Amino acid sequence: AQSVSQHNHHVILSEAASLELGCNYSYGGTVNLFWYVQYPGQHLQLLLKYFSGDPLVKGIKGFEAEFIKSKFSFNLRKPSVQWSDTAEYFCAVNAQVSGGYNKLIFGAGTRLAVHP
Amino acid sequence: DAGVTQSPTHLIKTRGQQVTLRCSPISGHKSVSWYQQVLGQGPQFIFQYYEKEERGRGNFPDRFSARQFPNYSSELNVNALLLGDSALYLCASSWGTGTGTRDTQYFGPGTRLTVL
Repeated sequence: AQSVSQHNHHVILSEAASLELGCNYSYGGTVNLFWYVQYPGQHLQLLLKYFSGDPLVKGIKGFEAEFIKSKFSFNLRKPSVQWSDTAEYFCAVNAQVSGGYNKLIFGAGTRLAVHP
Repeated sequence: DAGVTQSPTHLIKTRGQQVTLRCSPISGHKSVSWYQQVLGQGPQFIFQYYEKEERGRGNFPDRFSARQFPNYSSELNVNALLLGDSALYLCASSWGTGTGTRDTQYFGPGTRLTVL
């Protein structure tokens, strides 16, 4: 069965520290990969996505992610976090299933707290 | 442009009752998906509708049903509510399922359902 694993459930950083959140997926076919972010009191927002091409994708607010096919990974990075990055981050895989529809499979999420 | 809207924002029901949640997709989007997000977990796929037809269903009991209207809005119905149905119910819209996976889902704010 398809699954997504996020290794860190809680991460605490100081402002200006670098961030890397791990994401691994289990699916042998063609996948599209996403990171969504949920700021406190707000709804899920798309941070970035990978469909094909350059495996290093850039998203909003200085975030980037690298797709490594051989490792089934799609880790999220940011060189210098800010207090406003405090949020919950979800990695998701969009895997086409039989019948021609697509469903998002989410990881459990990583709760990031950035201290000033 | 308006994003995905959902109503109501919050709902409190008792066990055994029935509930209807509503979703309006982004203008032009023809596909609506429903997800359940239990506290501390990532969203779980419930249904996907495209052009008013059910295209996919997740691992949820028959107490869960949905439909999509000609204007592409959607309703999610849950019968015989259980305590375990307490969750945030998310609606996501996208252009359509197509035959590939290049479809990006945009989420609404969700409906917080509490079952007492």
